[in-house]
Amino acid sequence: TQLLEQSPQFLSIQEGENLTVYCNSSSVFSSLQWYRQEPGEGPVLLVTVVTGGEVKKLKRLTFQFGDARKDSSLHITAAQPGDTGLYLCATRSNDYKLSFGAGTTVTVRA
Amino acid sequence: DAGVIQSPRHEVTEMGQEVTLRCKPISGHNSLFWYRQTMMRGLELLIYFNNNVPIDDSGMPEDRFSAKMPNASFSTLKIQPSEPRDSAVYFCASSSRGGGSNEQFFGPGTRLTVL
Repeated sequence: TQLLEQSPQFLSIQEGENLTVYCNSSSVFSSLQWYRQEPGEGPVLLVTVVTGGEVKKLKRLTFQFGDARKDSSLHITAAQPGDTGLYLCATRSNDYKLSFGAGTTVTVRA
Repeated sequence: DAGVIQSPRHEVTEMGQEVTLRCKPISGHNSLFWYRQTMMRGLELLIYFNNNVPIDDSGMPEDRFSAKMPNASFSTLKIQPSEPRDSAVYFCASSSRGGGSNEQFFGPGTRLTVL
């Protein structure tokens, strides 16, 4: 099982600011997924990255996969209170099993 | 369309009592997963069913935990007897096609508190 380390653990920012959260491993990922979990809800898949160096954008969210496929980042531009939640990265250790990082709790203050 | 449905949403019970959590996967999905989320251990896979058959139960903590899937539209996770350390949020997720290689859709979770 790959150990995923996420940083920071907590992040609190003002509405309109930018933020970046990170997901790292000592092992190479075959692919990596990012999820957002809102309070009282289950995680929801945001994106899957597969290719080293890949960059995907989802509105104000930019996801980057490291060239060596050992790290990934999520950048949010002009954060809004609706972006508040727990951001989780996950990787597959086989064709069905997801292993999750501990997550970054993001709070965006109005 | 309805997503994954879990019940109850909250459960408070006393140590030693039996607890049953319920899940209705998305119609047409043939893979079902039970996860547990705690502050200490994060989100962990407990058991995986494919076509109603348990494929991987290596994440089930101990014999006090059991899971069943009697048909394609219903699954239960039972804890008997419950202990305070079982307090957590339990999620059910489902996906389509074999092996769960497609996106997993999570339910809203059941928050379990064992006193």
